[in-house]
Amino acid sequence: GENVEQHPSTLSVQEGDSAVIKCTYSDSASNYFPWYKQELGKRPQLIIDIRSNVGEKKDQRIAVTLNKTAKHFSLHITETQPEDSAVYFCAANRRRALTFGSGTRLQVQP
Amino acid sequence: DGGITQSPKYLFRKEGQNVTLSCEQNLNHDAMYWYRQDPGQGLRLIYYSQIVNDFQKGDIAEGYSVSREKKESFPLTVTSAQKNPTAFYLCASFPSGGNTEAFFGQGTRLTVV
Repeated sequence: GENVEQHPSTLSVQEGDSAVIKCTYSDSASNYFPWYKQELGKRPQLIIDIRSNVGEKKDQRIAVTLNKTAKHFSLHITETQPEDSAVYFCAANRRRALTFGSGTRLQVQP
Repeated sequence: DGGITQSPKYLFRKEGQNVTLSCEQNLNHDAMYWYRQDPGQGLRLIYYSQIVNDFQKGDIAEGYSVSREKKESFPLTVTSAQKNPTAFYLCASFPSGGNTEAFFGQGTRLTVV
């Protein structure tokens, strides 16, 4: 089955710096790769996604890159702000279901 | 107010008891999913359903059961066979399949006492 690995598990950056979170997946049939943000005690919410026919996608301060050959994709957050502090999950689709990574706790220090 | 609703928010269960977690959506989504969230382990798939009266096991289905009698509802029963049920449970719905945005409920925190 699909295995999604996510690194790092925790990440601390200074406000204004960039943050990068990386994920790898195992199922070559996966073609949809979303990223979710979960604030403490709240439900996960989609922040950006990418499909396998696209190599990069950007939405304001957030960007995602995908390397299908290497089976890895990354989330990039620029000009980080304290409100970016949360747990971030990557995911990949497998047999009509999403498999999630183990999460990265991002802390942005003011 | 459209969305996906889980109830209750907090649930306490005695060892040996079965409990049922509710998940209802009015988004007219075909697909509904149950995930379990433990600290440091992300979201793990328990069961999912693509259509009414049909569902499939996920990665950690042992000790759980589900039903899908109505499109809007996908209840999860945590049975006494689940040895470590204390966790945060999230229900999600998709317009179709697993290659679109997932809409999550607010979650149910289950504690065994």
